[in-house]
Amino acid sequence: AQSVAQPEDQVNVAEGNPLTVKCTYSVSGNPYLFWYVQYPNRGLQFLLKYITGDNLVKGSYGFEAEFNKSQTSFHLKKPSALVSDSALYFCAVRDVGNTPLVFGKGTRLSVIA
Amino acid sequence: DTAVSQTPKYLVTQMGNDKSIKCEQNLGHDTMYWYKQDSKKFLKIMFSYNNKELIINETVPNRFSPKSPDKAHLNLHINSLELGDSAVYFCASSQIKGTEAFFGQGTRLTVV
Repeated sequence: AQSVAQPEDQVNVAEGNPLTVKCTYSVSGNPYLFWYVQYPNRGLQFLLKYITGDNLVKGSYGFEAEFNKSQTSFHLKKPSALVSDSALYFCAVRDVGNTPLVFGKGTRLSVIA
Repeated sequence: DTAVSQTPKYLVTQMGNDKSIKCEQNLGHDTMYWYKQDSKKFLKIMFSYNNKELIINETVPNRFSPKSPDKAHLNLHINSLELGDSAVYFCASSQIKGTEAFFGQGTRLTVV
């Protein structure tokens, strides 16, 4: 069965600094990997995905993520954090077939001005 | 145009009542889901429907019964509500394998 681990409950970063939110995964086959963001009292918004191809994928709002097969990781990154990036971030994985997304526990990102 | 819409957004009810949450998607997707987000923000799949047929039913009490009248709708009916059912319930949809899921805004259910 597939699973996702987000080792950090909270990440704090100063505005303008680069940010990284970590994610590792476990699947039996080739992974489909996703990042979502949740703002307070809102639904989940899709940021980016990795299906195949380039290991560095770019997404919405200047976010990008790097797929590393040997380390089974899919870390979310942004070169320069904004206060408005403060939110709850979820990594998710799905296996081949029409299976539902399996989510990590979430990482709360706090960007301090 | 809202891609995935859920109603109601907030639902406060007493223990023992029966309630329903409705979900509709206008994306033409053939798969729909219900997720539960608990107070610690954990997201867990409850049900998955593909073309109106139930394909995944995780370990959810049988008080929860999804119904899909057509592939654009997936409603969630909950009988005999309990305090532990308080959570945010998200509906989502997706197309073929490997694509992202689109989520509704959630329904915050509070059982008192």
